[in-house]
Amino acid sequence: GQNIDQPTEMTATEGAIVQINCTYQTSGFNGLFWYQQHAGEAPTFLSYNVLDGLEEKGRFSSFLSRSKGYSYLLLKELQMKDSASYLCAVRDRGTGGFKTIFGAGTRLFVKA
Amino acid sequence: GAGVSQSPSNKVTEKGKDVELRCDPISGHTALYWYRQSLGQGLEFLIYFQGNSAPDKSGLPSDRFSAERTGGSVSTLTIQRTQQEDSAVYLCASSPDREETQYFGPGTRLLVL
Repeated sequence: GQNIDQPTEMTATEGAIVQINCTYQTSGFNGLFWYQQHAGEAPTFLSYNVLDGLEEKGRFSSFLSRSKGYSYLLLKELQMKDSASYLCAVRDRGTGGFKTIFGAGTRLFVKA
Repeated sequence: GAGVSQSPSNKVTEKGKDVELRCDPISGHTALYWYRQSLGQGLEFLIYFQGNSAPDKSGLPSDRFSAERTGGSVSTLTIQRTQQEDSAVYLCASSPDREETQYFGPGTRLLVL
């Protein structure tokens, strides 16, 4: 089966760096996503990793290690508006095609 | 261009009634997903349509839930004989062929009294 684990909540200070970890187990791994979701809004795409390594996009970076079933999202120069839930999602190739499974999300609180 | 749209944005219904939720994906997107999100929880996969292939219904929680996608575009999620535990936000997402990113609609907030 599939399983995705990420911390429930994290708190960090404005201007700091925070790393949100995600571990997964899946049989047909075909990519890992990070989405941001502000309270009461729909998720929005942040990053996609399918090969090992670090993908950098502005203040946000995402890392993947397929052999360890591990990813992290790194947020630099934190801003108050970064307070949101961050969803780790894994695309899994099964017999019926591709399916994306979401973790429960990590609620990030950025304090002044 | 226009994003994914969903209607209604809010729906209040009585236990036992049927509801229909609609999703208009981004034009040209071949993949369409339905998810359910309870308050403070992650996204629960419900069903996935890809082109003309048979849908992946493995996430539907019971036979009260069904979905169809007509003409490869608009999709309707139907919940029969609603129960209070069906109260949640129902999110629809679409993605282009051969692309991984999902674009989410604003969701339908369903409340079953």
